[in-house]
Amino acid sequence: DAKTTQPTSMDCAEGRAANLPCNHSTISGNEYVYWYRQIHSQGPQYIIHGLKNNETNEMASLIITEDRKSSTLILPHATLRDTAVYYCIVRSIYNQGGKLIFGQGTELSVKP
Amino acid sequence: DTAVSQTPKYLVTQMGNDKSIKCEQNLGHDTMYWYKQDSKKFLKIMFSYNNKELIINETVPNRFSPKSPDKAHLNLHINSLELGDSAVYFCASSPRQGMYNEQFFGPGTRLTVL
Repeated sequence: DAKTTQPTSMDCAEGRAANLPCNHSTISGNEYVYWYRQIHSQGPQYIIHGLKNNETNEMASLIITEDRKSSTLILPHATLRDTAVYYCIVRSIYNQGGKLIFGQGTELSVKP
Repeated sequence: DTAVSQTPKYLVTQMGNDKSIKCEQNLGHDTMYWYKQDSKKFLKIMFSYNNKELIINETVPNRFSPKSPDKAHLNLHINSLELGDSAVYFCASSPRQGMYNEQFFGPGTRLTVL
């Protein structure tokens, strides 16, 4: 599975959009981009995933560049409860057993 | 109505002891996982089971033995506990082994070995 690079930490004002970048320059055509988050002292939580088209659900939007080498997770109106570590994961369709490979993630702090 | 539950939530024990962590999912999923999160917060896959069959064993020491009595349960037994086993252990499940499926994580079990 391709490696991902994320900023270590980011701040965001409550009510504003949080834009979390992820670089995955070695991604291949059979790899999807997944986002999970982990709120302090809880288990990771799935947010969204995509292949090449932009995706949106009730939690967030995922914007993938045309060359697929990077993506951005957008939380449109961040709240204090969105403070968490956000993980960008690239996962192959040939991934044995469906395992997730977590990196260090981005620690997002939403401030009042 | 917890989807993925783990017991106990906290476990404190002495080196050399044997302990078990239980995991249950009520989502009807086929695949279950164990992950370990160490003190540096890195999450790593340990095991994956699909329909009670072991799919992944990520070079985990054989002191760790997962057991899946049925599709809804994946327990983790650890023999001869060592200091380095101290971590938070997360159980997860997903509908199928395939890649399109999100994984649902339990709340974690914090294991402290003294």
